[in-house]
Amino acid sequence: DAGITQSPRHKVTETGTPVTLRCHQTENHRYMYWYRQDPGHGLRLIHYSYGVKDTDKGEVSDGYSVSRSKTEDFLLTLESATSSQTSVYFCAISATSGRNSYEQYFGPGTRLTVT
Amino acid sequence: AQSVAQPEDQVNVAEGNPLTVKCTYSVSGNPYLFWYVQYPNRGLQFLLKYITGDNLVKGSYGFEAEFNKSQTSFHLKKPSALVSDSALYFCAVRDLNQAGTALIFGKGTTLSVSS
Repeated sequence: DAGITQSPRHKVTETGTPVTLRCHQTENHRYMYWYRQDPGHGLRLIHYSYGVKDTDKGEVSDGYSVSRSKTEDFLLTLESATSSQTSVYFCAISATSGRNSYEQYFGPGTRLTVT
Repeated sequence: AQSVAQPEDQVNVAEGNPLTVKCTYSVSGNPYLFWYVQYPNRGLQFLLKYITGDNLVKGSYGFEAEFNKSQTSFHLKKPSALVSDSALYFCAVRDLNQAGTALIFGKGTTLSVSS
């Protein structure tokens, strides 16, 4: 988990409220990702970023938005939380050059419960 | 469509015995393949990858994986299992439909090593 932090680590929120999760990296990697992990589904890509202000949708992007105003920060927003968004959210970073190219490194995760 | 399959939800092995965790893939081009491990309440940790070169790839903690193009498989192996290897293991393939290094994950295999 070195070099990647996520906040908050745990959150309980009510249906219909907006929620923002933060991912912060100190590795200066270009690519950042948000995944959700659910039993029986493995990890599924929500959104990713390939540079400041450059983002794109993943497999399960509905109901989520992202922003990246600085290289080190990647924010995930649930615009109006629903119970189906109860999950564990992981941020990941990667480089596309060098010895560690294409390897993703994951943060510790945020456990979100929507009641 | 690109996909990764881990046919076993759980693998049980006795300490000291060899272990195999199976993975098969389906991609349209040359596959970039990865194995990750997740310990309870932690993020995923990179174990090893295959991009090109030798079909037998060695990684962290004594693990290795063999790329078999004809069988479209990338099984994870270890000659002698440890109790501390008990964890959730994910196979992943680079998603060629997304820019950069986004991954498609299998659903995971729980490895349980008994003493």
